[in-house]
Amino acid sequence: DQQVKQNSPSLSVQEGRISILNCDYTNSMFDYFLWYKKYPAEGPTFLISISSIKDKNEDGRFTVFLNKSAKHLSLHIVPSQPGDSAVYFCAASAISSGSRLTFGEGTQLTVNP
Amino acid sequence: EAGVAQSPRYKIIEKRQSVAFWCNPISGHATLYWYQQILGQGPKLLIQFQNNGVVDDSQLPKDRFSAERLKGVDSTLKIQPAKLEDSAVYLCASSSGHEINQPQHFGDGTRLSIL
Repeated sequence: DQQVKQNSPSLSVQEGRISILNCDYTNSMFDYFLWYKKYPAEGPTFLISISSIKDKNEDGRFTVFLNKSAKHLSLHIVPSQPGDSAVYFCAASAISSGSRLTFGEGTQLTVNP
Repeated sequence: EAGVAQSPRYKIIEKRQSVAFWCNPISGHATLYWYQQILGQGPKLLIQFQNNGVVDDSQLPKDRFSAERLKGVDSTLKIQPAKLEDSAVYLCASSSGHEINQPQHFGDGTRLSIL
């Protein structure tokens, strides 16, 4: 039962353009969502998060949008830079499950110079 | 601040052998997690410790996997005996608390290959 899904295994964008990574979830108990970035041979690094009481959170070039009715969230990176090339994981947690994170499968983002 | 340390980085064993991984979390972090990441998938939680107590081990295959955090700092994850499907990257993470808004900080993982 895949409760968090990232349907796009890969995404390629040009430097300077916007990158949009999408994530869908099925468990309505999820109330906190996070994005992690992972470079090869390294562990995931926390990027940005959003609580279910908000619909948008922004941090520099990164913005996360949450649509609770659609059970959908997205990560926008603008402008995209070659150093953003990595695998991006969406993760979700529920207060009822403590801090256990449920991850999506990841999306490989490639930003071309 | 030093990050989460894991060793070894790589391990190759034959099926039915045993293996152990070690993790040293960020200093002062009370919560420690072990994840399994199979190729092409996201990390899956195996076990969560709060200090030296187990908070969540519902997804740990207890017939072959065990973990301990005896003094509430370092942790060891063991597999005995290993199966082919255990080939994965094993990630350790830590956070300062167990609240859901406390980001988890990951180590670089141990890549395990079972022959």
